[in-house]
Amino acid sequence: EAQVTQNPRYLITVTGKKLTVTCSQNMNHEYMSWYRQDPGLGLRQIYYSMNVEVTDKGDVPEGYKVSRKEKRNFPLILESPSPNQTSLYFCASSLLLAGRYNEQFFGPGTRLTVL
Amino acid sequence: GQQLNQSPQSMFIQEGEDVSMNCTSSSIFNTWLWYKQDPGEGPVLLIALYKAGELTSNGRLTAQFGITRKDSFLNISASIPSDVGIYFCAGQRASAGGTSYGKLTFGQGTILTVHP
Repeated sequence: EAQVTQNPRYLITVTGKKLTVTCSQNMNHEYMSWYRQDPGLGLRQIYYSMNVEVTDKGDVPEGYKVSRKEKRNFPLILESPSPNQTSLYFCASSLLLAGRYNEQFFGPGTRLTVL
Repeated sequence: GQQLNQSPQSMFIQEGEDVSMNCTSSSIFNTWLWYKQDPGEGPVLLIALYKAGELTSNGRLTAQFGITRKDSFLNISASIPSDVGIYFCAGQRASAGGTSYGKLTFGQGTILTVHP
């Protein structure tokens, strides 16, 4: 089954304790992206990647890191989490064909609480 | 980063009623999208619109791409309980070779509650 998977689905942690949220897709998509969802703000892009070893900042990258060493994986790293990073996080992926919209497929989400 | 202005923020309706929501932007988008998010899940694409003035239906859902390319609306007719969820509009600017390629800008979402 074609899908985007995220782990963990739920995480409670404490300020300053490094964590990684994994994202994997089995659709051979070039484009991958991380979003955070907060009430009243919709989804905001954190980082995105257009291919292996190619990453760039989205709208709210502060406090986050990403890597794209393999095409299928795009982990989100919080080196020193803070309470304002408590949020619902989504990973998404798509093809990257020129001249048309490429549907982004979203993972199930990771709910992170930083105490 | 820019966000789209989506309204209303929430709606409480009776089963069978029609629903309308819209999205506006201060700048132009090449593609408008409508997503639905069920509780505990990621957003799923409902409708994609590619041309100004385009009107597209998907079952009981109808969406339109505004003539100015700065707005879009979504209508749901004869609502049913499973329509409950959060609806998001999103815009995309296609920029071949540019860093905005693939980037989606989302509205704040409309929370829909349907009473049986």
